[in-house]
Order: sequence, then structure tokens, then C-alpha cells
Amino acid sequence: AQSVSQHNHHVILSEAASLELGCNYSYGGTVNLFWYVQYPGQHLQLLLKYFSGDPLVKGIKGFEAEFIKSKFSFNLRKPSVQWSDTAEYFCAVSSTNAGKSTFGDGTTLTVKP
Amino acid sequence: DTAVSQTPKYLVTQMGNDKSIKCEQNLGHDTMYWYKQDSKKFLKIMFSYNNKELIINETVPNRFSPKSPDKAHLNLHINSLELGDSAVYFCASSASGGHTGELFFGEGSRLTVL
Repeated sequence: AQSVSQHNHHVILSEAASLELGCNYSYGGTVNLFWYVQYPGQHLQLLLKYFSGDPLVKGIKGFEAEFIKSKFSFNLRKPSVQWSDTAEYFCAVSSTNAGKSTFGDGTTLTVKP
Repeated sequence: DTAVSQTPKYLVTQMGNDKSIKCEQNLGHDTMYWYKQDSKKFLKIMFSYNNKELIINETVPNRFSPKSPDKAHLNLHINSLELGDSAVYFCASSASGGHTGELFFGEGSRLTVL
């Protein structure tokens, strides 16, 4: 069975600080990896995704993530956060065999102005 | 145009009642899902349908009954509502039988059971 672990439950940063959110997954086969963002009171939206190729993927709003296969990790980064980045961030993994996406428990990011 | 739309957005009801949530997607996807998000924001899959066929049922009480009249619609009916059913229910869809995994979510239906 596939599982996803997000290490940080709540992260508080000041504007312009750098961000890194950890994500590790457990699955022996080929996976697709995602980061979704949920702004307060809204639905989940895709930030970025990795299917294959360059392990460093860039998403919307200046976010990027790096897939490190040997570490089963897909950490999310942003060099300089803004107040508007305050949201819930979910890492997710899907596989062809499972036919579904499994989500981590989410990380709440609060950015202080 | 809303790609994945759910109705109602808010639902407040008494314990023991029966309620339904409807979902429609206009993305041409063939797979649809129901996810439950609890008060701690944890997101868990409940059901998945591919071309009207149930393919995932994740240990959900049989008070929950999904129905997919066609591949663009997936409804969720809940019988005998309990306090623990209070949550936000998200509908989602994906293409290619779900194998790519990229999900498109609706805006959620917040269910409050009193």
C-alpha cells in the first residue's frame, strides 16, 4: 500500500523567508507525485506535479519541488514566501497499480506580514 | 465555467436524517471520486468510479452510497447521519482512468450534523 508522510504539521514564517516542506512516500513501484494547495475556505488546487524526466519541477506562484528517488522524497520549496501563500499544503502520490491518489496529512503554512 | 461543481455547498441537518450531495464535471474525465476532509484537514478517499463503475470503496460505512448515473456525475447519498459525518466532502475527477493521478477538485460541500 502507498502512504505519504508530511513532516511539518504547522509552519509559521515571516514574509520573504524561504520555505521547504518535507514529503516522503512509501511505495515500491512507479509513482506520480503532486503538491496541492488549499487556500482558506477554498478547494484544493494543483501546485505542481512530477511524472517523469527532470526531477526538479516548477509550479505556479514560484513554487518548485525536487524528486529524490533514493530518499523517496518530494519536498516543496519557495525562495521567498508571501502573506498570500498562507494555506494548507498537501503532498500526494498516485500509482498506476493503486488507481488512486493518497494524500499526506497536510501542512498548515502561516505567513506573517 | 466551473469544471467540477458540487451542490449544495453547505448542509446543516439533524442526526438520523438522510441527505445527498451532487457532483458534476464538464472536463470529459472518466474517473470521479469522493474525498472526506475532517476538522483536522485530513483528506481521505472514500469512493472512486470509472465510467460509472465503482473501482474504489475505502472501508466506508454502508450508510454512504455513491451513485454514478453517467461518467460526468457522481452523487453521494448518506443515510442515518451521525455527528461524526460532519466534514467537508470534496468531489474530484481525473482523466485516463485515474492513472495519471492529477485530480481536479470541486469547491466542497460542508456538512454539519447537529
